[in-house]
Amino acid sequence: AQTVTQSQPEMSVQEAETVTLSCTYDTSESNYYLFWYKQPPSRQMILVIRQEAYKQQNATENRFSVNFQKAAKSFSLKISDSQLGDTAMYFCAFMSRFGNTPLVFGKGTRLSVIA
Amino acid sequence: EPEVTQTPSHQVTQMGQEVILRCVPISNHLYFYWYRQILGQKVEFLVSFYNNEISEKSEIFDDQFSVERPDGSNFTLKIRSTKLEDSAMYFCASSRDRQDTEAFFGQGTRLTVV
Repeated sequence: AQTVTQSQPEMSVQEAETVTLSCTYDTSESNYYLFWYKQPPSRQMILVIRQEAYKQQNATENRFSVNFQKAAKSFSLKISDSQLGDTAMYFCAFMSRFGNTPLVFGKGTRLSVIA
Repeated sequence: EPEVTQTPSHQVTQMGQEVILRCVPISNHLYFYWYRQILGQKVEFLVSFYNNEISEKSEIFDDQFSVERPDGSNFTLKIRSTKLEDSAMYFCASSRDRQDTEAFFGQGTRLTVV
């Protein structure tokens, strides 16, 4: 069974600075998808970024980028130029390559952006 | 922008009572899911639903749980006889089709069993 581990329960960062959230996972599959979801105080989980395991290039979405290390089974999220609106819980998640299989989530990292 | 909506946002129920959590998925989506998050723990998959039947379910989704799409728009999760340990946030999600890897989540229903 797949597992996802987020080792940082809480983090904080100064506004405009850069922060990296860690995620490791365990799977025997070679093709899969990895995600970072953001859950602001409004509670709705929003997809931040997605990585397909067969793509070597790290995904980027504006200020958000990932460092995907397939051999190490590591998938960290970098947030550049942090903004107050980035304050949220961040969940790392895994999905099997078949798609529409259940997401397996980590426990989350609570990020606070400080003015 | 289309979104998944869930009602109610918070429900308090007596232990042993039945509760129905409601979700309206995005209208052109075909796959629906329920996840739950016990306070302080990770989000866990409960069940997926496609073409009016359960596609996959976890070991958490026992006989006390059922899902239904009663009218083509709502997607409900029923817990027949609630237990204290059912207290959690329940998230509904939907995705467009079998090949789609992006699930859109609702804002969740906080269920408190007393």
